[in-house]
Amino acid sequence: NAGVTQTPKFQVLKTGQSMTLQCAQDMNHNSMYWYRQDPGMGLRLIYYSASEGTTDKGEVPNGYNVSRLNKREFSLRLESAAPSQTSVYFCASRPLPGQSYLQGNTEAFFGQGTRLTVV
Amino acid sequence: GQSLEQPSEVTAVEGAIVQINCTYQTSGFYGLSWYQQHDGGAPTFLSYNALDGLEETGRFSSFLSRSDSYGYLLLQELQMKDSASYFCAVRSRNSGNTPLVFGKGTRLSVIA
Repeated sequence: NAGVTQTPKFQVLKTGQSMTLQCAQDMNHNSMYWYRQDPGMGLRLIYYSASEGTTDKGEVPNGYNVSRLNKREFSLRLESAAPSQTSVYFCASRPLPGQSYLQGNTEAFFGQGTRLTVV
Repeated sequence: GQSLEQPSEVTAVEGAIVQINCTYQTSGFYGLSWYQQHDGGAPTFLSYNALDGLEETGRFSSFLSRSDSYGYLLLQELQMKDSASYFCAVRSRNSGNTPLVFGKGTRLSVIA
């Protein structure tokens, strides 16, 4: 059981280049998320997918696109990388919460992160 | 929208007790979670409170007061390995499409 797997772990891009960050989970979770983490800023939500076939913007979606390829995979694409996108990117997945919020204790499982530098 | 406030840094002595506070503002509320992250690692789940009161899990406890929009994480018998960042997080709705919103994190340094 690998959990949440992200690739690549490290990447250096030149300004204007494009790339796709891959994420896959093997826990049969419905919801998947992409966060970015910058020093002093905590984890900020980029995009999320409540279920296969649906995606929604988070707090900081500009400059990114996502694809929920199937239930397992959720990719994040940078079409034209900018230095401001230098960050650590985390993918996460979570099962659906229960019917009442008392059952809402569904923890999010995170991948190991992708450290992206745009020069 | 949602916002969470927590101290940016806390330092404590090995073997001591430390409390990390979190205040939140949300349009709705469906629980407060805590995550731990070591340098270079991924966030991992620690605890969750849906109701007022204290939840205990080994050396870690988490408290919630919904009327005060406040919670805290209590770490007892501190060990050097507890040096990490700790994040509180909330969901404003109890549905599958409501993501977690995280605070900016508290960096805990445990000293000898």
